[in-house]
Amino acid sequence: AQTVTQSQPEMSVQEAETVTLSCTYDTSESDYYLFWYKQPPSRQMILVIRQEAYKQQNATENRFSVNFQKAAKSFSLKISDSQLGDAAMYFCAYRSSYGQNFVFGPGTRLSVLP
Amino acid sequence: DVKVTQSSRYLVKRTGEKVFLECVQDMDHENMFWYRQDPGLGLRLIYFSYDVKMKEKGDIPEGYSVSREKKERFSLILESASTNQTSMYLCASSEAHRSSGNTIYFGEGSWLTVV
Repeated sequence: AQTVTQSQPEMSVQEAETVTLSCTYDTSESDYYLFWYKQPPSRQMILVIRQEAYKQQNATENRFSVNFQKAAKSFSLKISDSQLGDAAMYFCAYRSSYGQNFVFGPGTRLSVLP
Repeated sequence: DVKVTQSSRYLVKRTGEKVFLECVQDMDHENMFWYRQDPGLGLRLIYFSYDVKMKEKGDIPEGYSVSREKKERFSLILESASTNQTSMYLCASSEAHRSSGNTIYFGEGSWLTVV
């Protein structure tokens, strides 16, 4: 079974600075998808960014980018120019190409300091 | 806009009560999920459904059941609520995996307290 690990339960960053959240996963599959989700204090989970494992190019969405290292099974999220609205729980998630389920990590709580 | 609606945001129930958590999605998604979210444990899958009347157990199905009579509606049932089921429950939906990387959409969550 696949597992997703986020080794940083909590992190903080100064406003306008850059922060990187770590995620590692364990799988024997070669084709899969990885996601970062954000859960603000209002609680609704929203998609931040998505990466297809077959793509070597790292995904980017505005201030959010990933560092996808397939061999190392690592998928970190970089947030540039951090804003107060970035404060949230961030979940890393894995989805197999062959299944329907999503596997989530335990989450990292990010605080943004003014 | 994508919409997953959970009927109750906050519930307080007594031990032994039967509890229904309802979820409706308006995206015509085949898959629907119920997750439980606890601090330090992230999201754990309780059940998911890939079609009407079809269901599969997730990682923590004990003490729960589900019902999917219509495509848009997925209900989570606690037959006899216990205090260790106090948690946040998240409903979600996604398209069936015909193409790559379909994402999952979440409701706002239901906070259940069992006393």
